[in-house]
Amino acid sequence: DAMVIQNPRYQVTQFGKPVTLSCSQTLNHNVMYWYQQKSSQAPKLLFHYYDKDFNNEADTPDNFQSRRPNTSFCFLDIRSPGLGDAAMYLCATVRGRGNFGYTFGSGTRLTVV
Amino acid sequence: GQQLNQSPQSMFIQEGEDVSMNCTSSSIFNTWLWYKQDPGEGPVLLIALYKAGELTSNGRLTAQFGITRKDSFLNISASIPSDVGIYFCAGQRSGGGADGLTFGKGTHLIIQP
Repeated sequence: DAMVIQNPRYQVTQFGKPVTLSCSQTLNHNVMYWYQQKSSQAPKLLFHYYDKDFNNEADTPDNFQSRRPNTSFCFLDIRSPGLGDAAMYLCATVRGRGNFGYTFGSGTRLTVV
Repeated sequence: GQQLNQSPQSMFIQEGEDVSMNCTSSSIFNTWLWYKQDPGEGPVLLIALYKAGELTSNGRLTAQFGITRKDSFLNISASIPSDVGIYFCAGQRSGGGADGLTFGKGTHLIIQP
């Protein structure tokens, strides 16, 4: 089935050690999003790619970066994770303007030790 | 930034009871979406609403897009144990596609035996 796949499901990283989370999709959607969801909170949009165009949310810390090497893959890089970055990170995709069919991945649970 | 006020924060009900939750906003959204999230998983779309005043059903679920475009409700009839989870409303400002979603804080539904 076409879907959005996030790897790994669980990631433990050390304080200050760079970490990369990945998202892949077989839906051929041209928009990919990264959301951060802390415990018992709503998902919060970090940034998105519309095709190759990167769109950062104004309040997303510089510590968070993203790469989209091709249509299928998008990466979230956390350059120096702090304890406050521990969260579930959700990837979502949508075909583009005029289409609301967002599909979410199962998320990556990040723990910072 | 825009915020969605979702209530109630949690609900404790008996199996078979009907459930109602709602979201309000101080600003207009052009699309309202309702998601369910199970522990450790990504949100799954339940109902999407595209027009003010629209009333849409999906099985035991019914949702409406408020006339003012600043609110929406979700009803679940005859609740069953698998309805347990966190329900999020989400709004989108633009007419579709690339703009990310703004989420409410969620309603945690708990069904007592």
